[in-house]
Amino acid sequence: GAVVSQHPSRVICKSGTSVKIECRSLDFQATTMFWYRQFPKQSLMLMATSNEGSKATYEQGVEKDKFLINHASLTLSTLTVTSAHPEDSSFYICSAVGTSGINEQFFGPGTRLTVL
Amino acid sequence: AQKITQTQPGMFVQEKEAVTLDCTYDTSDQSYGLFWYKQPSSGEMIFLIYQGSYDEQNATEGRYSLNFQKARKSANLVISASQLGDSAMYFCAMRELIYNQGGKLIFGQGTELSVKP
Repeated sequence: GAVVSQHPSRVICKSGTSVKIECRSLDFQATTMFWYRQFPKQSLMLMATSNEGSKATYEQGVEKDKFLINHASLTLSTLTVTSAHPEDSSFYICSAVGTSGINEQFFGPGTRLTVL
Repeated sequence: AQKITQTQPGMFVQEKEAVTLDCTYDTSDQSYGLFWYKQPSSGEMIFLIYQGSYDEQNATEGRYSLNFQKARKSANLVISASQLGDSAMYFCAMRELIYNQGGKLIFGQGTELSVKP
């Protein structure tokens, strides 16, 4: 299957700093990428939908100024957590959809963010 | 609004036995897709099986099969011959507009499966 990578896999930062997480589709062009957030033992919550070359569509309750999403190319989307606080600590997962007609979304391995 | 419900927070099964993980959904759309993902402790999401709303036969992938009952809006996952490596979180998900690959997935709450030796 198609491969999606995320970088970094783990990040620890101080409160007030910004953190950028990259999501890359390695062997296919991703017209759409999704960003999810997951707390321990809970489900994945969709944060936003990212389409190449256009502004991201955020889910209700997600602060777009807090979670900046950029989808600059067909293989890269970035999520920047601005002025991070301890409550932003979570597992962030991206997924990508190509144009091959395959039904599944391909997920990245996730990024564990810890804000001290 | 679409909704996915998994009512079993945790399940136990003996190794080599079969287990059914429940999933019910709610949607007003006639065209949708149903997915099951496995998430081990490492956090990666592993795609298991897919069922389209127009598919007449239940989907099967190796030891995984999906018991699709459209009238009851249920899409239960059956794992046959459980293995210790099957211990993980399992998520049911739905995407409306079956041919819209760019459509978002809505996930259920998840079921934590533990396989006993």
